[in-house]
This record gives sequence, structure tokens and C-alpha cells, in this order.
Amino acid sequence: GENVEQHPSTLSVQEGDSAVIKCTYSDSASNYFPWYKQELGKRPQLIIDIRSNVGEKKDQRIAVTLNKTAKHFSLHITETQPEDSAVYFCAASKRTGGYNKLIFGAGTRLAVHP
Amino acid sequence: NAGVMQNPRHLVRRRGQEARLRCSPMKGHSHVYWYRQLPEEGLKFMVYLQKENIIDESGMPKERFSAEFPKEGPSILRIQQVVRGDSAAYFCASSPTVPDTQYFGPGTRLTVL
Repeated sequence: GENVEQHPSTLSVQEGDSAVIKCTYSDSASNYFPWYKQELGKRPQLIIDIRSNVGEKKDQRIAVTLNKTAKHFSLHITETQPEDSAVYFCAASKRTGGYNKLIFGAGTRLAVHP
Repeated sequence: NAGVMQNPRHLVRRRGQEARLRCSPMKGHSHVYWYRQLPEEGLKFMVYLQKENIIDESGMPKERFSAEFPKEGPSILRIQQVVRGDSAAYFCASSPTVPDTQYFGPGTRLTVL
């Protein structure tokens, strides 16, 4: 079945530095790749997503890149701030029968130090 | 437009009891997904439902677990005869008619004593 691997599992950066989180997926038919941010005890919140017909998408300090050939996608956060500290999850899905079943990575715990 | 609602937020059950978790999707959303998150782990897909239909339950244990999304009212995830291994956070998500973006509820944290 579909599998998503996420690295690193923990990431520590200084405020103002960039952070990069990488994911690989196994099913070449996957066509939708969202990223979620989850703060402790809170719900996962969608921060950005990308579809397979696009190679890159940017939203202010956050960007996602997709390499379909290599089957990997990455989240880039620039100018990190302490409030970026959270667990980040990547996910992959393919539209099957009109719906998307998200397969999540194991998560990356990002700590941004002032 | 209210977000996805779940209740209860916290649920404590003793082994052998039943747990009922409720999820009200966002207004206008007809697709509901349930995910389970064990401590320090990612979310695992359990089941996908549309109104009155279970479409994909491939992630749900065959025994003790069931889900429904009736014509009226919230979606229900039911766990019978709970065991300690059922302790987890259970999240539901909903998406609109075009099923791409999924919006998550606040989760129900189930603790089995």
C-alpha cells in the first residue's frame, strides 16, 4: 500500500534560520500533497498543499516543492519564528472513486529557538 | 462558518466499556474521514463516509469498531469493549463536495483505564 516517509523526525533551528522537511511517497499515482501543522494538544491545521500538476507553491514564508520523478516533496520555512515551533506532517493521496484518503508521514518536531 | 466540531474532547473509559465519538462536519461538507493518532505518532486513516454510506473502511479494525454518518446528525465512531490499546486521539476531518482539502476537528482524546 501507499507509504510516506518523513525526515527528519526532529529539527532544531535558530530564529531567523530556514527549516526544510522532506517526504517521499511510494505510490506514483498520488496527486495531492498537503502539509499540516499540529501544536501540542491541538488539531492538525492545513498550512499549504500542492497538486501533482504544479512543481512549486509559495505562501509568504512557506513553500512546497514537488519532484514527481523522484517521488518526493519538501516543505521550506524561511525566517523561522518561535511560533513556528510545532509538529509538521506531510501527507499524500490519490483521488480514488472521488475521494482522497490521506496517508501521513510520521511527523517532524520543529523547535525554533529565540 | 463554524469549523469541524467533535465531542467529547476528552473521554475516559474502563476496559470493556463502549466509547462513542461524535463529529459534525463543516457546513456544506458531505465527506467525513476518521483518523487515529497514537501518542508521538502520525495520523492513520480509519474510515471514509458520505451521508448514509461507508465508502472505505480499510483502516478500521474489523472487530469492535464501527462508524456511521446518518442522514441527520453527526458522524459517530463507536468502539465496543474498549482495551488499553484503543487509547489515542481520534480526529475527524471533513471536505466539501469536491473532496480535496480536509479540515480537521479538535479531536477526542480517549483514555482507557
